[in-house]
Amino acid sequence: GENVEQHPSTLSVQEGDSAVIKCTYSDSASNYFPWYKQELGKRPQLIIDIRSNVGEKKDQRIAVTLNKTAKHFSLHITETQPEDSAVYFCAAVYNFNKFYFGSGTKLNVKP
Amino acid sequence: EAQVTQNPRYLITVTGKKLTVTCSQNMNHEYMSWYRQDPGLGLRQIYYSMNVEVTDKGDVPEGYKVSRKEKRNFPLILESPSPNQTSLYFCASTPEAGMNTEAFFGQGTRLTVV
Repeated sequence: GENVEQHPSTLSVQEGDSAVIKCTYSDSASNYFPWYKQELGKRPQLIIDIRSNVGEKKDQRIAVTLNKTAKHFSLHITETQPEDSAVYFCAAVYNFNKFYFGSGTKLNVKP
Repeated sequence: EAQVTQNPRYLITVTGKKLTVTCSQNMNHEYMSWYRQDPGLGLRQIYYSMNVEVTDKGDVPEGYKVSRKEKRNFPLILESPSPNQTSLYFCASTPEAGMNTEAFFGQGTRLTVV
């Protein structure tokens, strides 16, 4: 099956700085790569996603890049704000909504 | 409001006492699944269902059962809970079984087995 590795496990940045979270996957059949944000005590919620036929996608301060050849994808958050503090999960999806999640990155944005 | 609803939110039980966690979605989604979330391990799929009466094992199915008798409901059953099933559980649904799209999560159920 698929194996998704996510780094770093924790990330601390100063407000206004950028944050980058990286994930690698093993199965080239994966074709959908969502990112979820989970605030403390809350459910995971989708913040951005990308499909395998696209290399980059941006939504305001958030962007995702995908390198299919190298089998890795990254989440970029610019101009970080304290409300960006949360746990972020990447996932690789194939075979009828079979989600494989990374282990999560706890992002702390210091005011 | 479109949502996935789980109950209960919190549950403390004793080893061996059967329990059911309910999950219901009002979006007419085909695909539903259960995950458990443990520190450092992310979310791991327990069981999934591609439609009514169609269920299959995920990556960590041992000790769990599910059923899908109606499209909207997908309960998770622990016949004989053990302490290693102490975890945070999430139900999720996606619109179509055949197309990879966003998963909508329930609020979560924090289960403690003593």
